[in-house]
Amino acid sequence: EPEVTQTPSHQVTQMGQEVILHCVPISNHLYFYWYRQILGQKVEFLVSFYNNEISEKSEIFDDQFSVERPDGSNFTLKIRSTKLEDSAMYFCASSDVGSTDTQYFGPGTRLTVL
Amino acid sequence: GQNIDQPTEMTATEGAIVQINCTYQTSGFNGLFWYQQHAGEAPTFLSYNVLDGLEEKGRFSSFLSRSKGYSYLLLKELQMKDSASYLCAVRSLYGQNFVFGPGTRLSVLP
Repeated sequence: EPEVTQTPSHQVTQMGQEVILHCVPISNHLYFYWYRQILGQKVEFLVSFYNNEISEKSEIFDDQFSVERPDGSNFTLKIRSTKLEDSAMYFCASSDVGSTDTQYFGPGTRLTVL
Repeated sequence: GQNIDQPTEMTATEGAIVQINCTYQTSGFNGLFWYQQHAGEAPTFLSYNVLDGLEEKGRFSSFLSRSKGYSYLLLKELQMKDSASYLCAVRSLYGQNFVFGPGTRLSVLP
């Protein structure tokens, strides 16, 4: 069964450093998403992406964040200057055009900012 | 504004039925989703409602009343593996913006 993959599974970085989180969505899907979940808290929507542009973004997704689809398979989330409060699990998800009802989540990248 | 409420925790016995409620007040609505999330894992899709009524999928059913801003997830014949958090999420009227509730942690006891 096709699945969303994410790398790395765990990223540790120093405050102020840039990080790039990688995702490979399911191959025939065209909608892509990033979410974050701070430990013990709810899942929070960051951004959705379709047709090579941002479809919607939340208030959390400020100028420190950016997304890119550098090639036909990868979807990345960049945090330019990490803060302590960026420590969280970051989930990538994808869904297809004909059935945007179902989002498939990747296993997540745990980001720890020291 | 966007607000989704769910009970924080619930406990039920193996083989029983449990109903997890979700109430929402959102500025737009284009579907309500239920996800299951085991500790330390990613959410997995369970069900989707966009029209009022009941959707049944095996042991899981989900109900929606848009006029009341209310949904529930019904789990039948509970199994130990059903111990997890259950997340209610609402999709915005336009676009692909999803608001998640805080989740309900369900413990299934033998």
